[in-house]
Amino acid sequence: DIQLTQSPSFLSASVGDRVTITCRASQGISSYLAWYQQKSGKAPKLLIYAASTLQSGVPSRFSGSGSGTEFTLTITSLQPEDFATYYCQQLNSYPRTFGQGTKVEIK
Amino acid sequence: QVHLQESGPGLVKPSETLSLTCIVSGGSVSSASYYWSWIRQPPGKGLEWIGYNYFTGSTNYNPSLKSRVTISVDTSKNQFSLKLSSVTAADTAVYYCARATLAVVTAFDVWGQGTVVTVSS
Repeated sequence: DIQLTQSPSFLSASVGDRVTITCRASQGISSYLAWYQQKSGKAPKLLIYAASTLQSGVPSRFSGSGSGTEFTLTITSLQPEDFATYYCQQLNSYPRTFGQGTKVEIK
Repeated sequence: QVHLQESGPGLVKPSETLSLTCIVSGGSVSSASYYWSWIRQPPGKGLEWIGYNYFTGSTNYNPSLKSRVTISVDTSKNQFSLKLSSVTAADTAVYYCARATLAVVTAFDVWGQGTVVTVSS
């Protein structure tokens, strides 16, 4: 199985901050990576697929980059509604696996 | 707008079989564009992919659960189902049904709201 390791696991930030979350894969997965946002008590929401393609309807302050084994999710100006947990997921092989999550909280 | 809704018992006894159904509205489970999937999330933990069923009947399961899992599609009712046998407390989780779409490289672009399943006697 491909292991995904996110860093940090926890992040404290203020409204307006630029936030970067990293996801490292245990082996190369080309650009087969997705990012999800999950708010408390809700289902995850797809933000980005193919490492850098923004899902329809997702604000442009979200962006993704990377390929191979290292990927990043960036939020350019954190908004109050962005406080949530973020997960990466690899789409390269089965079983599909997720990172352990990064919780973004208000400073 | 596709909508997914999970249904099933919220409490299952140890050693019994967990059975959940996902009703699909606004779209067809017979479409070649989608994989119909189940994902779960234990309390306070991360996401675990359980498996999928494709419209051809092809399935793919997480090896960690493969011996206990069956995912099936009912085209007449436009729904798909999960069966997980011999459950233990470790199977207590929120269970989500989700659609994996080829157009987004099989990422999960539509999710149900999730249903809590507790395994306890």
